[in-house]
Amino acid sequence: SYELTQPPSVSVSPGQTASITCSGDKLGDKYVSWYQQKPGQSPVVVIYQDTKRPSGIPERLSGSNSGNTATLTISGTQAMDEADYYCQAWDSSNVVFGGGTKLTVL
Amino acid sequence: EVQLVESGGGLIQPGGSLRLSCGASGFTVSSNYMSWVRQAPGKGLEWVSIIYSGGRTLYADSVKGRFTISRDNSKNTLYLQMNSLRAEDTAVYYCAKRGGADSYDFWGQGTMVTVSS
Repeated sequence: SYELTQPPSVSVSPGQTASITCSGDKLGDKYVSWYQQKPGQSPVVVIYQDTKRPSGIPERLSGSNSGNTATLTISGTQAMDEADYYCQAWDSSNVVFGGGTKLTVL
Repeated sequence: EVQLVESGGGLIQPGGSLRLSCGASGFTVSSNYMSWVRQAPGKGLEWVSIIYSGGRTLYADSVKGRFTISRDNSKNTLYLQMNSLRAEDTAVYYCAKRGGADSYDFWGQGTMVTVSS
């Protein structure tokens, strides 16, 4: 079965850039979405179709996808960005989520 | 405004059955792809099932043969019938609406299912 691999945790200082990776076989051939989930809340899509931001999502969040790796980049990270982030893609009629990355803003 | 409201969760013994409901407003369930996604306590997101607008259904291997996704067009409601429940099915269950490019653009608040004796 298809797997998406994310680092369990990423730490960043306020104002710096955070990068969260998502790896999978030929992931660049698929569309990747990213979800933000804060404690006790439902997931919220922050990036879809690799690079697109839904309305209301700050421009400091951006996405890329090439080869075997998709990346969520948060520029000028703020305390409010501290959350769990999940990548997601479709493979052979199955929806796959990455294991999630806890972003800590120190 | 799009809203999804899950209900039906609770405490159930192993081997038991439960039916979850997801009431939708602001859009038509039958015209969209709808999924159930679950999250075990302290764990990540796990896709459970999807129903396409045309009625085709798919399931994760972990629930295939035990869970059934369905919808009631007259009530604009999505369901998940869960049979032969196991301890490992304990999770918050979310319903989600598929949006553009295979993403999920709206999620419900979730309903907790606890399988324990």
